[in-house]
Amino acid sequence: GQSLEQPSEVTAVEGAIVQINCTYQTSGFYGLSWYQQHDGGAPTFLSYNALDGLEETGRFSSFLSRSDSYGYLLLQELQMKDSASYFCAVPEAGTALIFGKGTTLSVSS
Amino acid sequence: SQTIHQWPATLVQPVGSPLSLECTVEGTSNPNLYWYRQAAGRGLQLLFYSVGIGQISSEVPQNLSASRPQDRQFILSSKKLLLSDSGFYLCAWRTGVLGEKLFFGSGTQLSVL
Repeated sequence: GQSLEQPSEVTAVEGAIVQINCTYQTSGFYGLSWYQQHDGGAPTFLSYNALDGLEETGRFSSFLSRSDSYGYLLLQELQMKDSASYFCAVPEAGTALIFGKGTTLSVSS
Repeated sequence: SQTIHQWPATLVQPVGSPLSLECTVEGTSNPNLYWYRQAAGRGLQLLFYSVGIGQISSEVPQNLSASRPQDRQFILSSKKLLLSDSGFYLCAWRTGVLGEKLFFGSGTQLSVL
């Protein structure tokens, strides 16, 4: 089976940088995805890392280390609208995406 | 363009009543479809997935069932709701090759009272 661990809550102020970590244990690994979910809304896809290294998409970056079974989502120049829950997830071969329990990010002014 | 429709947005049902939630996808054929449930403040639990008409796989034994009567239609049902069935139900469609990218419907907030 799959298990993913991420912090339950992170707080930061506007303009800061925050890193949300995710460690995983999987029987087969294909890559690590990240999703954002605002309160009351549906999750939306942010990024996917299949290979080691850093992927940058605007203010958001995602990193993967397959040897360490570890990844993180880096959010820069935080804005109030970044307050949301962030989920790491791994695809399970032949089935679906398995999600972590999520990290609630609170950005204050 | 591809879109996914899910309804209703909110639903309040008494314990013991039946349930039917519908999800339809437009702009694609033979999609892989999924039902997830999210309890308040919790992660997403995979309930069912379907790779084609009439093909349903269940991830968690529970009071729910799913059906895929048409290529782009996925239905979640229950004959008798329990209090523990309350939650946010999300239908999703796979867009990535490995299933790494899911596109979610807007969800149904179900309250069982």
